[in-house]
Amino acid sequence: GNSVTQMEGPVTLSEEAFLTINCTYTATGYPSLFWYVQYPGEGLQLLLKATKADDKGSNKGFEATYRKETTSFHLEKGSVQVSDSAVYFCALLSGTYKYIFGTGTRLKVLA
Amino acid sequence: DSGVTQTPKHLITATGQRVTLRCSPRSGDLSVYWYQQSLDQGLQFLIQYYNGEERAKGNILERFSAQQFPDLHSELNLSSLELGDSALYFCASSVHRDRASEAFFGQGTRLTVV
Repeated sequence: GNSVTQMEGPVTLSEEAFLTINCTYTATGYPSLFWYVQYPGEGLQLLLKATKADDKGSNKGFEATYRKETTSFHLEKGSVQVSDSAVYFCALLSGTYKYIFGTGTRLKVLA
Repeated sequence: DSGVTQTPKHLITATGQRVTLRCSPRSGDLSVYWYQQSLDQGLQFLIQYYNGEERAKGNILERFSAQQFPDLHSELNLSSLELGDSALYFCASSVHRDRASEAFFGQGTRLTVV
């Protein structure tokens, strides 16, 4: 079946460091891919998305590229801020219109 | 504000009891999803409804049931509650216009079973 695998957290970085959170997926067909962010005490918010191979989603300095050849959708940011501390979820939307989420990666950014 | 409303925000109840969680989707969204998020766990998909009909089922226990009403709001019923059912329960909705349609999440209901 369809699945999403994320790197285990927590990830702890200093402010202005480079961030990569790995995400790989298994799916039949051509899923759409998403990154969601969950701040403490809140629901999930869409961060960015990509719907086909080689698409790059971007928002608030975060980027992820849909790589079909490696079935990956890694999240990157060039310079993290304390305010980026949150849990990040990779997700895919399959043809059955079911969103499949990874286990989430907690990011902690230190000042 | 995502436009998805969940009530109540917090719920404390005893083992063996039954509770109902309510979700109002964004205006125009036909699909509603329910997810369970336990401590330090990812999101477990429970069930999906589309325009009143059950569309997909995930790891939903037999003690749990859900429905979507004609006005598109949804309710998740949890019965014979156990300590292990303590979790955050999220509702999400989507318009499902195409493959790019994202899901919008509510703030969640935190259920504590004591």
